[in-house]
Amino acid sequence: QKEVEQDPGPLSVPEGAIVSLNCTYSNSAFQYFMWYRQYSRKGPELLMYTYSSGNKEDGRFTAQVDKSSKYISLFIRDSQPSDSATYLCAMSAAGGGNKLTFGTGTQLKVEL
Amino acid sequence: EPEVTQTPSHQVTQMGQEVILRCVPISNHLYFYWYRQILGQKVEFLVSFYNNEISEKSEIFDDQFSVERPDGSNFTLKIRSTKLEDSAMYFCASSRAYEQYFGPGTRLTVT
Repeated sequence: QKEVEQDPGPLSVPEGAIVSLNCTYSNSAFQYFMWYRQYSRKGPELLMYTYSSGNKEDGRFTAQVDKSSKYISLFIRDSQPSDSATYLCAMSAAGGGNKLTFGTGTQLKVEL
Repeated sequence: EPEVTQTPSHQVTQMGQEVILRCVPISNHLYFYWYRQILGQKVEFLVSFYNNEISEKSEIFDDQFSVERPDGSNFTLKIRSTKLEDSAMYFCASSRAYEQYFGPGTRLTVT
């Protein structure tokens, strides 16, 4: 079983739709959870970061963590064509200096 | 907004040659990292660095790899004798705490 699993997509939605992106993980030691956006051949851009369980909202983005189910989600409201990218979940067991374990990424396309 | 920078953006080298990839982390960050991403694959951790020493490394980070912070601003990754399978995007990242910010990457092509 992979440590972090993420559906690679591609996921295609119309502009204005609510997008739900998800990851599951097997390592119960993970406590820090991040979502990155990556455009083709570019570096991952940090979107959201959360510690432990709960919700966090920032503009059109909401991150949810359910540690009991080992399941994390990223919701994008009012999706725009500029949101088209690959979304990576990443997580670590401890704080500063600890390695991130990434999912394979979900490719999202928002169509006009 | 401060950002991580990396040079060069693209490096082509012959198998067996040494390469040095350079990074300037965000200035008030304490932790520094290198990751790589082979085309079409996931981002993989190589090494983390804190207080002038390696704090964690992966099994990928063997004796061919080394890291250094030669001055107060630069952070480098050296590959001593490159192999074809070292061809990948190499990302530098830095953090003050657990949230890591990535640079744009160096695309390394080994021929």
